[in-house]
Amino acid sequence: DIQMTQSPSSLSASVGDRVTIPCRASQTISTYLNWYQQTPGKVPKLLIYASSNLQSGVPSRFSASGSGTDFTLIISSLQPEDFATYYCQQTYRIPYTFGQGTKLEIK
Amino acid sequence: QVQLHESGPGLVKPSETLSLTCNVSGASISSFYWSWIRQPAGKGMEWIGRLYVSGSANYNPSLESRVTLSLDTSKSQFFLKLTSVTAADTAVYYCAREPLDGIAYLDPWGPGTLVSVSS
Repeated sequence: DIQMTQSPSSLSASVGDRVTIPCRASQTISTYLNWYQQTPGKVPKLLIYASSNLQSGVPSRFSASGSGTDFTLIISSLQPEDFATYYCQQTYRIPYTFGQGTKLEIK
Repeated sequence: QVQLHESGPGLVKPSETLSLTCNVSGASISSFYWSWIRQPAGKGMEWIGRLYVSGSANYNPSLESRVTLSLDTSKSQFFLKLTSVTAADTAVYYCAREPLDGIAYLDPWGPGTLVSVSS
């Protein structure tokens, strides 16, 4: 299986901050990388697909980039509703695998 | 608007079979892959498998010996069966849609259903 590593597991930031969340694959996955946001008790929400494509309805403060093994999710100016856990997922090879998540907390 | 909704028993005894249904509305069940994902409390997510209307299925090797996916196009439903469950199968189970065009992602998801394995 392709292992997805998200480090750090948690991150503290303030409203208005620019935040970058990294994700690394154990082998090359081209751009088959998605990002999901999950708030406690809620359903995972697709933010970004195919490494850098913003899902319809997602605010433009979210962006992402990367290819191969290293990927980054960027939130340009944190809003209160952005404090959540962010998961990356590879869909290059079955079984699809997720990172363990990065929890974004209020500083 | 596409909506998915999982249903099934919230409690299953060890060694028994977990059976869940995902109801799909607002989209043709014949035009997408349909996936199951699970998430134990406080932990990350595990992809269980996906199914296409042709009957073609892909499973996570970690669960493949115990999992069966199926669907009923007439009812716009797809199903998960997981046999010989243990406490380690306790999780919130989600169903989700995946497009067929090769740009693979999961959207939307159902609200999830909590399944506990306990005697």
